[in-house]
Amino acid sequence: GAGVSQSPRYKVAKRGQDVALRCDPISGHVSLFWYQQALGQGPEFLTYFQNEAQLDKSGLPSDRFFAERPEGSVSTLKIQRTQQEDSAVYLCASSPGTGGLGYTFGSGTRLTVV
Amino acid sequence: KNEVEQSPQNLTAQEGEFITINCSYSVGISALHWLQQHPGGGIVSLFMLSSGKKKHGRLIATINIQEKHSSLHITASHPRDSAVYICAVRSQATGTASKLTFGTGTRLQVTL
Repeated sequence: GAGVSQSPRYKVAKRGQDVALRCDPISGHVSLFWYQQALGQGPEFLTYFQNEAQLDKSGLPSDRFFAERPEGSVSTLKIQRTQQEDSAVYLCASSPGTGGLGYTFGSGTRLTVV
Repeated sequence: KNEVEQSPQNLTAQEGEFITINCSYSVGISALHWLQQHPGGGIVSLFMLSSGKKKHGRLIATINIQEKHSSLHITASHPRDSAVYICAVRSQATGTASKLTFGTGTRLQVTL
């Protein structure tokens, strides 16, 4: 597609429910990033993929967070047993190479845990 | 202390005014991004800088690597410029060279 596509745009989950957020990067983009943006804050890094390899997951806040990109294109961020503090916008970004040029963000998924 | 700090946090301007948003960072960087985020919308990359100055339409971005400072200028501001402007840096540190560290953003409101 023309841009980075994320789905769903909005998700309301009951506390304790598992959720899966999808990111469809620009075709051919090597690098894929997940960021978490709490209300009124700047995005915070969660994890990074280079093709299918997850090279950095240092930003994942707990072992309830899991991300995958099995074929080096679409990525899924899964949050198990959601808690209220997980409420945030989850942003996906991709870039063609590994140097940061052409960084393109998706519109994000707004997750609300009630 | 955040690695990336922006000022001001909030800015209200009248249409036509010249606007400056500042960004200071404390780490060595390989590049700095200026991003725009509209309410409820995604993030759009405006500029990526590693030195000097870039201009695109009414937007100008400058960076001073020695002083670890960048500015985003908007000339002849317009209500459609109302958005959050975010500064983000790519660290020189080893590891995930492309991951960005973000400032908290500057909320700009341009009124008629």
